[in-house]
Amino acid sequence: AQSVTQLDSHVSVSEGTPVLLRCNYSSSYSPSLFWYVQHPNKGLQLLLKYTSAATLVKGINGFEAEFKKSETSFHLTKPSAHMSDAAEYFCVVSEDQAGTALIFGKGTTLSVSS
Amino acid sequence: DAGVIQSPRHEVTEMGQEVTLRCKPISGHNSLFWYRQTMMRGLELLIYFNNNVPIDDSGMPEDRFSAKMPNASFSTLKIQPSEPRDSAVYFCASSLSRRQGLPNEKLFFGSGTQLSVL
Repeated sequence: AQSVTQLDSHVSVSEGTPVLLRCNYSSSYSPSLFWYVQHPNKGLQLLLKYTSAATLVKGINGFEAEFKKSETSFHLTKPSAHMSDAAEYFCVVSEDQAGTALIFGKGTTLSVSS
Repeated sequence: DAGVIQSPRHEVTEMGQEVTLRCKPISGHNSLFWYRQTMMRGLELLIYFNNNVPIDDSGMPEDRFSAKMPNASFSTLKIQPSEPRDSAVYFCASSLSRRQGLPNEKLFFGSGTQLSVL
């Protein structure tokens, strides 16, 4: 069975410092993996997705994530945080390549201080 | 808590038929969201309710789509008539919002309903 674990429920960083949001998954075969962001008053927005192509995936707003099969990880990073990055982030694994069933992590709240 | 419960898990229907998807949010949550998932567009917010009242339905694609929340523990998403392009996975999510109409809390997702319209 597929599962996804976001290792931190809350991450706090200062503006201009790097961001690391951790995600581990379990899967019996090659999964599709996603990161979504939810800003207040808005729905979910897709940041990036991994679907068995390049292991380093670049997304919007300067975010990227690296798929590491040996570590079963898909951590989200950004070199320099902006105040506007403060939001809720969800790591998501798909049960199949078609993305027909998604399993969501519990989310990580990112706070950015000036 | 059992989490957000959606039914059915899978639905296969023929074009033109009515489809009803059901959702039971987490007890105590006052915001409920319907999303549609496709690989091309990812998750799209269709509509969300706060305290059983529809707050934003701008994502509902057409008049063929309608959603109701008759009480705090139940919501439906109906498609009538259904079309093949409606085939997707539909997710329901709930959260606890501290302020009216502002979904600023973490979302909890159901397992989704995979809809296939032939």
